[in-house]
Amino acid sequence: AQSVTQPDIHITVSEGASLELRCNYSYGATPYLFWYVQSPGQGLQLLLKYFSGDTLVQGIKGFEAEFKRSQSSFNLRKPSVHWSDAAEYFCAVGHAGNMLTFGGGTRLMVKP
Amino acid sequence: NAGVTQTPKFQVLKTGQSMTLQCAQDMNHNSMYWYRQDPGMGLRLIYYSASEGTTDKGEVPNGYNVSRLNKREFSLRLESAAPSQTSVYFCASSGTVDEPQHFGDGTRLSIL
Repeated sequence: AQSVTQPDIHITVSEGASLELRCNYSYGATPYLFWYVQSPGQGLQLLLKYFSGDTLVQGIKGFEAEFKRSQSSFNLRKPSVHWSDAAEYFCAVGHAGNMLTFGGGTRLMVKP
Repeated sequence: NAGVTQTPKFQVLKTGQSMTLQCAQDMNHNSMYWYRQDPGMGLRLIYYSASEGTTDKGEVPNGYNVSRLNKREFSLRLESAAPSQTSVYFCASSGTVDEPQHFGDGTRLSIL
């Protein structure tokens, strides 16, 4: 069965610092991978997706993620964090029937 | 650009009451989904509908029923609400298999 692990429940970074959010997945076939962001009181917004091809994918708001098959990872990165990036981030793996299995989420706090 | 619309946004119920959460999408998507979100657990799939006229159980279906009323609408019903069903409920929809899911803003449900 598929699963997604986000090892960090909370992360705090200073504004302007770089960011990396970790995601590890378990899935038997080539995965479809996603990162979503959720601001307080809002729904989930897609940041980026990986289906195939180039393992480094670019998303909205300056985010990128790298698919590493050998490590079963799909970590999210941003070179310089802005205060508006404070939110909860979810990694997900897509599988049969276009369904998603989500990780538990990482809450990002940004210090001024 | 309405996307996925959920009603109501907030609801408080007493144990044993019934309730239907409504979801409608205007993107002509075939597939629709209901999730619940609980702290630290990400989003868990309750039910989904791969196409009009079909519904299937997800990871946590107990205590819920669904109806795919037409291609646009997918409702979630709690027949006898329990405190364990206090959660934030999200509806989502998607088109083809390589298209990510689009989420509504959620319904915050409290059961006393």
